[in-house]
Amino acid sequence: QVVLTQSPSASASLGASVKLSCTLSSGHTSNAIAWHQHQPERGPRFLMKLNSDGSHTKGDGIPDRFSGSSSGAERYLSISSLQSEDEAVYYCQTWDTGTSWVFGGGTKLTVL
Amino acid sequence: EVQLVESGGDLVKPGGSLRLSCVTSGFAFSSYSISWVRQAPGKGLEWISSISTTSSFRYYTDSVKGRFTISRDNAKNSVFLQMNRLRPEDTAVYYCAREHIGSYYADSWGLGTLVIVSS
Repeated sequence: QVVLTQSPSASASLGASVKLSCTLSSGHTSNAIAWHQHQPERGPRFLMKLNSDGSHTKGDGIPDRFSGSSSGAERYLSISSLQSEDEAVYYCQTWDTGTSWVFGGGTKLTVL
Repeated sequence: EVQLVESGGDLVKPGGSLRLSCVTSGFAFSSYSISWVRQAPGKGLEWISSISTTSSFRYYTDSVKGRFTISRDNAKNSVFLQMNRLRPEDTAVYYCAREHIGSYYADSWGLGTLVIVSS
């Protein structure tokens, strides 16, 4: 079974940039993933699908400040020009044997 | 605009039942698989069930197999989750999510409905 590992927390200053990571478990390092943003008291929001080669497809209305990249088993979400509304939990998601979704534990981003 | 709206969450005693609904609009519902994902208090997102476009395939996470049943009505653009023999650990916000066509990830989410299982 594929496992996604995320750091529990991250922080960065208003206007700065941050790079969040998601690590795929051994044997699944070529998987594509999706990134989702989950703000308090709201439903999750799809940000992008990120392939192993770093190419990504963003959801409707996702600002250019959000981008993705990949390196080996690592999948990254970069956010530039941080705004207060970017404070949220960010989840990576992939799929296992095509039948079930798997989520990482989430990274809580604090904007200082 | 794509919309998914969950309802049916409530306070229920252990061993009880609930039926959640997810009513959708703004897209060709019958062309999409739909999933349920939950978030327990203080925890992350957990996938629990998915249903294919024609209901031919239904998948469940192990912790709900035999207790939960997913179904859909393409004429009503709706998906349902029948939850039986509820346990305190089923307490969570339940979200429905649309699965991107041709791939296996969520591309649209609802706002969620809260289920509390407590005596």
